Amino acid sequence: AQKITQTQPGMFVQEKEAVTLDCTYDTSDPSYGLFWYKQPSSGEMIFLIYQGSYDQQNATEGRYSLNFQKARKSANLVISASQLGDSAMYFCAMREGINTGNQFYFGTGTSLTVIP
Amino acid sequence: IAGITQAPTSQILAAGRRMTLRCTQDMRHNAMYWYRQDLGLGLRLIHYSNTAGTTGKGEVPDGYSVSRANTDDFPLTLASAVPSQTSVYFCASSELAGGPYEQYFGPGTRLTVT
Repeated sequence: AQKITQTQPGMFVQEKEAVTLDCTYDTSDPSYGLFWYKQPSSGEMIFLIYQGSYDQQNATEGRYSLNFQKARKSANLVISASQLGDSAMYFCAMREGINTGNQFYFGTGTSLTVIP
Repeated sequence: IAGITQAPTSQILAAGRRMTLRCTQDMRHNAMYWYRQDLGLGLRLIHYSNTAGTTGKGEVPDGYSVSRANTDDFPLTLASAVPSQTSVYFCASSELAGGPYEQYFGPGTRLTVT
């Protein structure tokens, strides 16, 4: 089974609108971390936001927020007030606990295009 | 602060040749990782190391080897390159304690095996 699933290969959003990028995960480890990364066309990987499995509150970083629904094993990224510079690939990732190897798993990504 | 450096930036390699991709970090992170990125497949973990002197296999380790002689360097070697190893290779590092342990990525190496 896939550890991280991103079901939206491509998404479009109007500038200044909000957009949600979906991510579901699969783990039996009670201790894990969830991450979102942005990869613009230049190729670098940019860390956006983190959610720990024991965190009670949804993580927020500026215009980024993570909608963490533990029972559903989902960790959707919400980008508010989209900007043209948000056009990029977005990857969801999970890190399992130290005792299970400290491996990271990435999804296949969602390509976001912001339309002026 | 340089973060993570990778070399070379890009390389065209004949099939059957040996190649080492270099990765160096200056953040004194315990953990280091090698990924390959292919269109439609996202990033797939090749090998990782949680501390100097130890390594582990990731999702797609076949055809690759790594070593971790010290904290800063984590080279990836293709012993005999094949065309299916054409990809973009990313090196990353992270801390193991103190949370949230996000990975820091190098700029990548674009490798073409002909």
